Amino acid sequence: DTEVTQTPKHLVMGMTNKKSLKCEQHMGHRAMYWYKQKAKKPPELMFVYSYEKLSINESVPSRFSPECPNSSLLNLHLHALQPEDSALYLCASSQAGVIGNQPQHFGDGTRLSIL
Amino acid sequence: GIQVEQSPPDLILQEGANSTLRCNFSDSVNNLQWFHQNPWGQLINLFYIPSGTKQNGRLSATTVATERYSLLYISSSQTTDSGVYFCAVNRDDKIIFGKGTRLHILP
Repeated sequence: DTEVTQTPKHLVMGMTNKKSLKCEQHMGHRAMYWYKQKAKKPPELMFVYSYEKLSINESVPSRFSPECPNSSLLNLHLHALQPEDSALYLCASSQAGVIGNQPQHFGDGTRLSIL
Repeated sequence: GIQVEQSPPDLILQEGANSTLRCNFSDSVNNLQWFHQNPWGQLINLFYIPSGTKQNGRLSATTVATERYSLLYISSSQTTDSGVYFCAVNRDDKIIFGKGTRLHILP
C-alpha cells in the first residue's frame, strides 16, 4: 500500500467529458506533483505545487487544470481531452524545498483512456 | 538540458543472479533518485542518493557525482524485482528521468 492515494484507478472518458483525478497524502508533505507517463516511457513532470501554490507548469495544455485545495489534496481537472492524452497519470509528494531535493513518494496512478 | 542515460535498456536474468544498472548524466545535478516501477505501474522510491553509497537489503546504490554516474546493484534477484528501474536527477527545478532499464527475472 502506498501513502499517496489516487482515485480513480481507471478512467475511461469521451473527448467531450469533464472529469477529475484526485490525489491525497497524509505525510505532512508540502510539495505535490502531477506526472504523465505514456506506455514504455519515463514519467514526464506536468505540474508542481509547493505550499498549495502552483510553482511549476511544464507548458501543459489548458485542457489539464490542476488544483490544490489544501495541503493534503491535489486534483487534476480534465476537459476536452484528446486520444493522445491517454496515459498513466501519477501523483507524487515530498517535503517542500527545492524541487527534487527531497525523496518523492508516488501514488499508484490513474490509467486514463480517452475514446 | 541535462541528458540522463541508463544502461542496459533491457536485462533478462535467472532468479538468484546479481546485476548492476548504470545511470550517466551529462552535467552536475543537485540530487539523484532511483525508482522501481513494477509491472502494475507502481513507482517505488528505492534510493535518494546525491552522492555516496546506500544499502537497503539486497539493493545498494552508489553515486559518484564528480564523475556523473550512479550504479544500482541488485543481488540474489527475485521474480518480484522484475519491472523498470528509473533514475531521475534534478537541477534548477527540473526533474529529468532516464528512459529506464527493463529487468525481467526468470523463475
